[in-house]
Amino acid sequence: GIQVEQSPPDLILQEGANSTLRCNFSDSVNNLQWFHQNPWGQLINLFYIPSGTKQNGRLSATTVATERYSLLYISSSQTTDSGVYFCAVGEQTGANNLFFGTGTRLTVIP
Amino acid sequence: GAGVSQSPSNKVTEKGKDVELRCDPISGHTALYWYRQSLGQGLEFLIYFQGNSAPDKSGLPSDRFSAERTGGSVSTLTIQRTQQEDSAVYLCASSPQRYTEAFFGQGTRLTVV
Repeated sequence: GIQVEQSPPDLILQEGANSTLRCNFSDSVNNLQWFHQNPWGQLINLFYIPSGTKQNGRLSATTVATERYSLLYISSSQTTDSGVYFCAVGEQTGANNLFFGTGTRLTVIP
Repeated sequence: GAGVSQSPSNKVTEKGKDVELRCDPISGHTALYWYRQSLGQGLEFLIYFQGNSAPDKSGLPSDRFSAERTGGSVSTLTIQRTQQEDSAVYLCASSPQRYTEAFFGQGTRLTVV
């Protein structure tokens, strides 16, 4: 199956700082999602973005499918942004499931 | 509208017992996934249902695990003769169809003692 690598694995930010999280994948995809897993374990949908750029408030994401990567930008971070951010992709051909990266653990300190 | 609902939220069982975990997907969603997440780890795919097609069982870790989806809606994941290594959070997701945005339930935390 497709390989998904996320970086950095851990990130500590001061409240108000900006950050960029990266997701690299090893093959062509037809589905790419970013999720935030909150401290209670719930996976919150952030973006469905197999290609292009989207923005939602302080968050934005860009996927360059031809170069096999996606970026998640967090601006003016808040303590409530803390948690684990997962990138998940679906293969263009082959497996039915979403393949998850190992996540980026973000800690925002006041 | 209602999201993906899973029950129970927490389940503690004795080693060797069977357990059933339930998932109610979003109404109208034809695709349904089961994943599990061990403590501090990523998500491991278990099984995928799409409409009336045969399920993709390629992620099931052993023959103690099985799942069914009745009427294209509710799904039940069954673990027989539970082992301590089965302890994890079991997550269900649904999407309108294959390759579209998936939405996850809150998960069932299974503890085998």
